[in-house]
Amino acid sequence: DQQVKQNSPSLSVQEGRISILNCDYTNSMFDYFLWYKKYPAEGPTFLISISSIKDKNEDGRFTVFLNKSAKHLSLHIVPSQPGDSAVYFCAASAVRGNKLVFGAGTILRVKS
Amino acid sequence: GAVVSQHPSWVICKSGTSVKIECRSLDFQATTMFWYRQFPKQSLMLMATSNEGSKATYEQGVEKDKFLINHASLTLSTLTVTSAHPEDSSFYICSAVGQGAWGNQPQHFGDGTRLSIL
Repeated sequence: DQQVKQNSPSLSVQEGRISILNCDYTNSMFDYFLWYKKYPAEGPTFLISISSIKDKNEDGRFTVFLNKSAKHLSLHIVPSQPGDSAVYFCAASAVRGNKLVFGAGTILRVKS
Repeated sequence: GAVVSQHPSWVICKSGTSVKIECRSLDFQATTMFWYRQFPKQSLMLMATSNEGSKATYEQGVEKDKFLINHASLTLSTLTVTSAHPEDSSFYICSAVGQGAWGNQPQHFGDGTRLSIL
């Protein structure tokens, strides 16, 4: 039972344009959502998060949007840079202090 | 800040060997550490949660006698894969959460350990 889904295995974007990575979840108990970036043979790096009481959180080039009614969140990267090329994981947790459930990841390639 | 170090980064050993992986929080005290496993082209799957000074909580399907976890201090947790077999070959990653973090998030990850059992 995949509670967190990233339906796009990969995304290719031109440098300078916007990258939009999508994530859907099924568990209505999830109340905290995170995005991680991962390079091969390295651990994930925390990017940005959002709690269920908000619908938007912005940090520099990264913005996360949360649509609770649709159980959908997205990560916007603008402008995209070649160094952003990596695997992006969406993760969610239910109830403070609980474990993270990860999506399968989306490979982002930013072309220069 | 929030640096997590994992050692070793790569292990190759014979079947039947026990392998210990260390996870250290370098610049903060970690009240909780998590151990994950990742198969090729798949997501991270939580194996167990460990709190300093108490027994680890294992996820369903994870053999606690196979994967021994010790969290003896606020900066160190270890995962020992006992009597490893080829099917245990995988990428193991730890994460840590500091005191005062909101709801155990965000978790900060080590760089992982590639375990290959021959």
